[in-house]
Order: sequence, then C-alpha cells, then structure tokens
Amino acid sequence: DVKVTQSSRYLVKRTGEKVFLECVQDMDHENMFWYRQDPGLGLRLIYFSYDVKMKEKGDIPEGYSVSREKKERFSLILESASTNQTSMYLCASKRQGENIQYFGAGTRLSVL
Amino acid sequence: KQEVTQIPAALSVPEGENLVLNCSFTDSAIYNLQWFRQDPGKGLTSLLLIQSSQREQTSGRLNASLDKSSGRSTLYIAASQPGDSATYLCAALGADYKLSFGAGTTVTVRA
Repeated sequence: DVKVTQSSRYLVKRTGEKVFLECVQDMDHENMFWYRQDPGLGLRLIYFSYDVKMKEKGDIPEGYSVSREKKERFSLILESASTNQTSMYLCASKRQGENIQYFGAGTRLSVL
Repeated sequence: KQEVTQIPAALSVPEGENLVLNCSFTDSAIYNLQWFRQDPGKGLTSLLLIQSSQREQTSGRLNASLDKSSGRSTLYIAASQPGDSATYLCAALGADYKLSFGAGTTVTVRA
C-alpha cells in the first residue's frame, strides 16, 4: 500500500512565524503535490514537484515556497505565516506517467 | 481554466435510500474523472476513477458515470448506510495533468 505521511495532524502558529509542513511518501513516486482545502472552495494546488530539486507553481503559490531535496520528502514552507493561511493542507504523490494521486491525512494549520 | 462544480453542497437521506451525487466540469478535454471520499478531519481516499474513454466504473455499491460531451459525472451509491456519511469530492485531470477539484458534497445518512 502507498503511504503518504504528513508529520503533523494539527499545528497552531503565530502570525509572522516561519512554518514547515513535511510530507514523506514511501513508494518512490516522482511527482508530489501540496494542496490547501478551504470550505466551499475544494482543493487548490499550491506547488508541485516532478522530481528531486524540481518545483512548479500551482494555482495559488503566493506566500508559500517548497523544498524537494530528497525524492521521498516534499516540504511546504510558509516564510511568514498570516491568518489567511489558516487551512487544511494536503500532500499527495504519484508515479510519473500514472494518473492516480495518493493523499496524506492532512495537516490542519491555524495561524493566530 | 477548468471549473468543477458539485451540487448540492450537502445532502441528508434516510438509511437504505440510493444516493445520487452530481459533478460538472467546464472543459471536456480531460484524461479522467476521479471520485474521492473524505471523512471529517482526514485525507482523501480514492473511490473510483473513470478514464476519458470510459462511460462508467463500478465498485460494489458504487457506480460512477461520465459524459464528457456534456461535462458531467454522477456517483451513485446504492442502499446507503450510516457508514457512507462523509464528504464526496470529484476531480478532473486536465490536459495540463493537473487535478481540478469540486468543493464536495457532504452526505449524512440517518439511521
């Protein structure tokens, strides 16, 4: 079974803090994704990565950056957290050339 | 830009009733359409994936249909059970290989 693990289920941070959300997958998938999910808006793509050290902006990259130093790990970084970044963050991965994404359990981030 | 809409946003039915969940998308140039289930506070679990060349997919009590020309997909859940209570999301994989998600339909099955 594919396993996508997000290191934290819940996080509470203060405005202006630097925040790291970590995602690890164990299936040697090349492609990894970060989404945020907000009520009434569905999931929106923040960033994705085709492979190690590669990254592409998604639909809403503003205020975020990412790091993919190892194939299994994809980190989402909030350089200076703001209250409008309070959301559920979901990580996903898939094998290059395949169409099914596998999702982690999500990290619910609250920025106060 | 692909827009995916799910109506209604919420649905409440008595146990045993069949569920019909609707999904519409604006750009018919898709590779596939996927249905997910999400339990409260949890991640997404893939239920069914319909390739663009297919008309429907079935898994147990679940059946999903796809009509690309009209931009619609429907998820049917037969003989609903309280354990089917969850949020159901559809997502279309576009020509850019990006998934576009609907906002979901939250289903409550009353015992």
